[in-house]
Amino acid sequence: DQQVKQNSPSLSVQEGRISILNCDYTNSMFDYFLWYKKYPAEGPTFLISISSIKDKNEDGRFTVFLNKSAKHLSLHIVPSQPGDSAVYFCAASERSASGGSYIPTFGRGTSLIVHP
Amino acid sequence: ETGVTQTPRHLVMGMTNKKSLKCEQHLGHNAMYWYKQSAKKPLELMFVYSLEERVENNSVPSRFSPECPNSSHLFLHLHTLQPEDSALYLCASSQEVGFRGGFLVFGPGTRLTVL
Repeated sequence: DQQVKQNSPSLSVQEGRISILNCDYTNSMFDYFLWYKKYPAEGPTFLISISSIKDKNEDGRFTVFLNKSAKHLSLHIVPSQPGDSAVYFCAASERSASGGSYIPTFGRGTSLIVHP
Repeated sequence: ETGVTQTPRHLVMGMTNKKSLKCEQHLGHNAMYWYKQSAKKPLELMFVYSLEERVENNSVPSRFSPECPNSSHLFLHLHTLQPEDSALYLCASSQEVGFRGGFLVFGPGTRLTVL
């Protein structure tokens, strides 16, 4: 069963508008949440993250919001640009059973298309 | 070369072939990972290595055999694969396992097709 869910396979937005990508999770033990962006023929690249002790993290045009009670996070891109067109992966991590590391679990991704 | 490189970028193989995927990271990282991305599925973790020691094996079939001879190189040896193993295989590295809660640097991937 998927622990990280991105229920919208695609999203289309006009340039200059806001893009909102959503992600839901089922594991209440997740401590970190991350967003990765992937262009065709390239590997995913890290975009932004948030720890479970916060509810918002902002980096330029990108803001991630975390709602722990709803087990939901979202990525806002304002304003959206055509170069933002890519697949966005939501990921989450918890301390491993051995007590050490955080290894991310990924969702299926949402394909964002920003029209000029 | 910079970042994480993977070779080959594309591979077509028969079910009886033996092939290997290669990954090299030029970042001085200590942890390396194999992920699999099948169509319309999440990225699935396969293996994690920390300082050449395997620390995670995510119930991967034995027809996939990883090798990490040093902290800069990671291989995935493939034998007697099935058509359903066709996927994009992504290598990643990080400064250490769990760095910044899951910050990974990915390579471009190897697109594998099993006939």
